[in-house]
Amino acid sequence: QVQLQESGPGLVKPSETLSLTCTVSGGSISSYYWSWIRQPPGKGLEWIGYIYYSGSTNYNPSLKSRVTISVDTSKNQFSLKLSSVTAADTAVYYCARGGKRQTQWGQGTLVTVSS
Amino acid sequence: DIQMTQSPSSLSASVGDRVTITCQASQDISNYLNWYQQKPGKAPKLLIYDASNLETGVPSRFSGSGSGTDFTFTISSLQPEDIATYYCQQYDKEFTFGPGTKVDIK
Repeated sequence: QVQLQESGPGLVKPSETLSLTCTVSGGSISSYYWSWIRQPPGKGLEWIGYIYYSGSTNYNPSLKSRVTISVDTSKNQFSLKLSSVTAADTAVYYCARGGKRQTQWGQGTLVTVSS
Repeated sequence: DIQMTQSPSSLSASVGDRVTITCQASQDISNYLNWYQQKPGKAPKLLIYDASNLETGVPSRFSGSGSGTDFTFTISSLQPEDIATYYCQQYDKEFTFGPGTKVDIK
């Protein structure tokens, strides 16, 4: 059974770049789509974007100017960078397997934007 | 942008009750709709994909139907472990989640 684990700083300063990595274990990152989704505390889910293992991407238009998702097949990892963060970017960030539907999820990691 | 609405926003029902949640898209999305269950403090879990297909391993008391703009999610017999928030998600154009329906036991 594939498992996903998010990692990265839990606290980011306003205007800086949020960086997270998702490590995939128990299976290969190849031949799948991989997604990032976030959830502000007490609120609903927001799709951020996805990447195919080959490197093609699709981003939420509302975040597109600030988001970069990349993949490192040699490490079985994919990553999220979100630039120019504000308090509105405070959320639990989830990585997940799948493009059109997310079938396996990481446990999520809380990222707080604060000075 | 495709907007998704869900109703009700919350409900309380007894064990064994039939529970129905509706999801409406702002435009025709064919059957490009998924349903997720999220328990407190946990990641969402896929239950239904393509509007009516049950994900592997999901109990058969969960079902989905609909196409176009109107969709329904049903729990045929509510169990205590079904306490959660349920989200619909369209994937016709990018991805949008509904606001969620919180289900608890009366």
